[in-house]
Order: sequence, then structure tokens, then C-alpha cells
Amino acid sequence: GAVVSQHPSWVICKSGTSVKIECRSLDFQATTMFWYRQFPKQSLMLMATSNEGSKATYEQGVEKDKFLINHASLTLSTLTVTSAHPEDSSFYICSAQLRDTQYFGPGTRLTVL
Amino acid sequence: RKEVEQDPGPFNVPEGATVAFNCTYSNSASQSFFWYRQDCRKEPKLLMSVYSSGNEDGRFTAQLNRASQYISLLIRDSKLSDSATYLCVVSGGSYIPTFGRGTSLIVHP
Repeated sequence: GAVVSQHPSWVICKSGTSVKIECRSLDFQATTMFWYRQFPKQSLMLMATSNEGSKATYEQGVEKDKFLINHASLTLSTLTVTSAHPEDSSFYICSAQLRDTQYFGPGTRLTVL
Repeated sequence: RKEVEQDPGPFNVPEGATVAFNCTYSNSASQSFFWYRQDCRKEPKLLMSVYSSGNEDGRFTAQLNRASQYISLLIRDSKLSDSATYLCVVSGGSYIPTFGRGTSLIVHP
């Protein structure tokens, strides 16, 4: 149980385009999901907390207009990287919360050319 | 002071060794504690929760010391496959998790 999927697993896009990443809890409902970013050899950085039915809460320094989060249902949250630039290239990971435990998706590796 | 601190290592140990990591946290109101394992270029996977009474799962033992505000992870009889980064995660009443930077373990033959 407690499986989280992410799609796509990797994406390469041109600078200036937008990329949508989906995070789904497959066998449980998650009121809260989290989005992280991880650069090579660095720790996970929390970007935002995604709450079903309400606006996401962004961490300091994360632009909400650039990283659009939508948590439309109890099993789906999406992160859209708008007008992506090379410095947005990173490993994006979501997690879904079940009680007090985080279960992570497999991550999306984004490369912006 | 960072909310959750871990020694980044790397801890370089031979197969069969016993190795222990500590993780300190600053928020005394923290309620939930976990150890995750992250392999290179992969997502973190839950290794074990840490309860007040401690938790043991095979070769892995986790302990919580609330008075000194740290949790520990002990790995006995290390295997090559234990090589990974071990992340300490702490959360409070709101359940927003705070991650340590991770401790790198390298088990060599």
C-alpha cells in the first residue's frame, strides 16, 4: 500500500516552455501533498505544500507564479513549471501524506535546454 | 541552527560492520520521526518510523531520545546494498516534514 506515482519520469524541454508534472496517490487519499526539488548532491528542498481544495503554501524564495500548484482531488496534485529556464533543471519529487508519514513519488527529472 | 542536523559523512565501512548515525532536531514540539533511505538519483523511501519506545526491523534499529532531542539509526552486519544516503525526517503537529541533509553511507567489500 501507500504508492505514489509521478508523471512524467523525465522531460526535456526548450527554454520558455511550460512543463506539467503530475503526482498521484494510487491507493490512498491524500489531503496534503508536498513538492520538493533536489539539485545534484544536495538535500531535498521543500518548495510548497499542496492542500486539496485550497491554495498551496509556498516556501520562502519559491515563486508561486512560476511554480503553479493545483490539488484538484484527494489523489492528484500537479506542479506546472512555467516559462522554464535552464536553471530550473532539477529533480522534482512529490510526496503524499498518509497520517503522519510521507510517501514519495519516483521523481521527475527536468532538463531545460 | 538548522532544524534538523545530520553528519553528512560519508561513513565508509567494511561489509559486516556495525554503523550508527545520529540526527538532532531543534523543535522540542516535534512529534513524528522517521528514517528514509535515498539511493543516487532516486526518490527517498521510508526505512522506518521512530517511536518513543524505539523500533527494530531486522538489522536496523532506530531510537528516539526526546530529552537530548536526537534520533539514531543503527545498522548491524552492513551489506553492500546498504550503501545510500540516510535521511532523518522530523515533523510537528502540522505534519510538515523537515528533512536533514542526509548521511552518506558507503559499505565496501
